[in-house]
Amino acid sequence: KNEVEQSPQNLTAQEGEFITINCSYSVGISALHWLQQHPGGGIVSLFMLSSGKKKHGRLIATINIQEKHSSLHITASHPRDSAVYICAWDTGNQFYFGTGTSLTVIP
Amino acid sequence: GAVVSQHPSWVICKSGTSVKIECRSLDFQATTMFWYRQFPKQSLMLMATSNEGSKATYEQGVEKDKFLINHASLTLSTLTVTSAHPEDSSFYICSAPARGREGEQYFGPGTRLTVT
Repeated sequence: KNEVEQSPQNLTAQEGEFITINCSYSVGISALHWLQQHPGGGIVSLFMLSSGKKKHGRLIATINIQEKHSSLHITASHPRDSAVYICAWDTGNQFYFGTGTSLTVIP
Repeated sequence: GAVVSQHPSWVICKSGTSVKIECRSLDFQATTMFWYRQFPKQSLMLMATSNEGSKATYEQGVEKDKFLINHASLTLSTLTVTSAHPEDSSFYICSAPARGREGEQYFGPGTRLTVT
């Protein structure tokens, strides 16, 4: 059983739509990371958070420690947002990675 | 611009040979670096933690004699896949802790290894 569950696995959206990707976990954490992986494989770290909410431009990440759940939101989605989004839980000793959500934004 | 580089970006080798992959931190020092692998359509898996001046820490199930890690300087960690087999074909990625952003990572662009 994967310690980190992401949903949905695949997501297609029209440009401009509001997008939510969910991540839940079953282990204790010290931090949660949201990563973006582009088709070429390159990975960018979007957020690292251990409580509350963070915002960068059109991206918002939230975490609920009690419910062991985190969400990544994209407002006014754009085709350049098309990528795989991966959540990763950092227990302080180990990373647990979600299976990723493949997002395609259609013009 | 990129703050962590990897070389090569892709490599094809024959079974039984060894391949070295370099991970460099650009303009900053990294006493710790992390190595991951990613099989097609699968998520990342942490392989090992590379520590400058000491032995690497390997995750459970990762063969330390097969995946040799050397962190010889504060800006360079190398992963050598020894006696490579086709099942070692994968995408290998390194990361280094971000400066001034505790807990965050800078990821390298990855190295795609194909063993024939």
